[in-house]
Amino acid sequence: DAKTTQPPSMDCAEGRAANLPCNHSTISGNEYVYWYRQIHSQGPQYIIHGLKNNETNEMASLIITEDRKSSTLILPHATLRDTAVYYCIVRVGPGSGNTGKLIFGQGTTLQVKP
Amino acid sequence: ETGVTQTPRHLVMGMTNKKSLKCEQHLGHNAMYWYKQSAKKPLELMFVYNFKEQTENNSVPSRFSPECPNSSHLFLHLHTLQPEDSALYLCASSQEGGAGAPQHFGDGTRLSIL
Repeated sequence: DAKTTQPPSMDCAEGRAANLPCNHSTISGNEYVYWYRQIHSQGPQYIIHGLKNNETNEMASLIITEDRKSSTLILPHATLRDTAVYYCIVRVGPGSGNTGKLIFGQGTTLQVKP
Repeated sequence: ETGVTQTPRHLVMGMTNKKSLKCEQHLGHNAMYWYKQSAKKPLELMFVYNFKEQTENNSVPSRFSPECPNSSHLFLHLHTLQPEDSALYLCASSQEGGAGAPQHFGDGTRLSIL
């Protein structure tokens, strides 16, 4: 699975959009981009994933560049409860002979400030 | 509520004890995982089960013994652990076979070895 690069930390003002970048320049054509977050003392929480099209759900939007070498997770109106470590992970989809494992890096610690 | 329940939430044990961690998923998924998260380190995959069969053992010491009696339950049997095994142990499940199956995590068992 391709590796990802994320900034170690970011700050965001409450109510503003939080834009979290991720580089995955060695991503393969069949690899998906996943975002998870981990709030202190809890298990990781799935946020969103995509292959090449932009995606949006009730939690966030995922913008993937046309060459798929980078992506941005957007939390449109950050709240204090969005303070967490955000992980960007790439992995092949199921049915490709893989075991479905996720390889976590250090992620980005997002601090939302009042 | 993620649909993945782990018990106990906290466990303190001596190095000579034998204990088991339990994970139950209520999502109808066919794959289950054990991860280890040590302090200040990324999550590390330990074991993967697909349809009750172990498909990956990530070089985990034999003092950790997984068991998957059915697709809804996963156990991690512990014996003769070392202080460095103190960590948060996380269970996850996913529905493999479809495109881009996300993993859903429990909140983990915080294990302390005396």
